[in-house]
Amino acid sequence: DQQVKQNSPSLSVQEGRISILNCDYTNSMFDYFLWYKKYPAEGPTFLISISSIKDKNEDGRFTVFLNKSAKHLSLHIVPSQPGDSAVYFCAAKRAEYNDMRFGAGTRLTVKP
Amino acid sequence: EPEVTQTPSHQVTQMGQEVILRCVPISNHLYFYWYRQILGQKVEFLVSFYNNEISEKSEIFDDQFSVERPDGSNFTLKIRSTKLEDSAMYFCASGPDRGHQPQHFGDGTRLSIL
Repeated sequence: DQQVKQNSPSLSVQEGRISILNCDYTNSMFDYFLWYKKYPAEGPTFLISISSIKDKNEDGRFTVFLNKSAKHLSLHIVPSQPGDSAVYFCAAKRAEYNDMRFGAGTRLTVKP
Repeated sequence: EPEVTQTPSHQVTQMGQEVILRCVPISNHLYFYWYRQILGQKVEFLVSFYNNEISEKSEIFDDQFSVERPDGSNFTLKIRSTKLEDSAMYFCASGPDRGHQPQHFGDGTRLSIL
């Protein structure tokens, strides 16, 4: 299932700098997009979401940008902290359906 | 903060045996889900459950699988005649609605089929 793609398996960033995680999707019917963070031996933790009627949603250090024409979304973390080191999953769904489609994840490492 | 809890954290079962994975969703949530993640692969949707019945299921969720809400708090996934390829992390999730609402996940059950 290639409907949601995260092409960067890993990203390394210095503490205090910006982390930018990217996600592409192919299904233009998706209208709700989410980012989850996952630590080892834990389940995915919801981080932030955006509906297709918006192009930006901000929550503290986390901002998600949606470019519908490019079928692309990104997660910005500013400033990055060592505790942000985790695997980040992009997910997408259609409001009228229950199944979420996940990307393969990007492992973020924030170095002190 | 309320959370989804799953038991056991790790289940080891002989091939061909039946296994039941248990979940306690967040109490005021109405939609319940099972996902799985085979090692090195993506998280995949299995099934959603609402109002005591399956609302959606994926191609993975065949006759080998069943779900049940036996009481007001538990949500279970039963896998009959387990196969080696059923080895995976199984995540339970719940959500208040199915629209533009996030699903909240438990920490998963690691199922190992020998």
